[in-house]
Amino acid sequence: AQSVAQPEDQVNVAEGNPLTVKCTYSVSGNPYLFWYVQYPNRGLQFLLKYITGDNLVKGSYGFEAEFNKSQTSFHLKKPSALVSDSALYFCAVRDIDDYKLSFGAGTTVTVRA
Amino acid sequence: GAGVSQSPSNKVTEKGKDVELRCDPISGHTALYWYRQRLGQGLEFLIYFQGNSAPDKSGLPSDRFSAERTGESVSTLTIQRTQQEDSAVYLCASSSRQGTTEAFFGQGTRLTVV
Repeated sequence: AQSVAQPEDQVNVAEGNPLTVKCTYSVSGNPYLFWYVQYPNRGLQFLLKYITGDNLVKGSYGFEAEFNKSQTSFHLKKPSALVSDSALYFCAVRDIDDYKLSFGAGTTVTVRA
Repeated sequence: GAGVSQSPSNKVTEKGKDVELRCDPISGHTALYWYRQRLGQGLEFLIYFQGNSAPDKSGLPSDRFSAERTGESVSTLTIQRTQQEDSAVYLCASSSRQGTTEAFFGQGTRLTVV
């Protein structure tokens, strides 16, 4: 069985401050990990992924995430948030031996000017 | 095609009617996924296909829901005897045979049961 937990329903930050969105996962084998963003009335857009290699991965729009195997976490980060980063963020996991892709419940990020 | 295409984009149906939602994945993508997203909520896994077979149907909410895929291409999600609780956006995604790529999502079908 596999699952994803996003412990925070909402994250509020001021523009220019660092942004962190938390994600922990559970898989039976080794994970592939993904972050997606959903803007209002829009589809899901891919941000970044961890497949193998360097634990720090960089993605679109200045976002990055760090894979921590011992803590089974894959937190999303941005050093300096923008108002335009306000959206719904989803973490997702796959076991490398399976195609099933499971999503967390999502975290709503609000960046205030 | 250039991306995942879903049709219709919007569907309003009367309670008790059957509906069919269609997904055209990116050409050559082996895996195809269906999710349901209720207003303001997360993604609820429904079913996924590897090729034309569905290894995991555990997410289908009831026996009123079924899905099929043919030719490792088009997939259809069918909801029989629709209920108001079925109202949601139904999202389809596909990913490549290699499996290391991300899943690409369609724009969804917004289903409203009145």
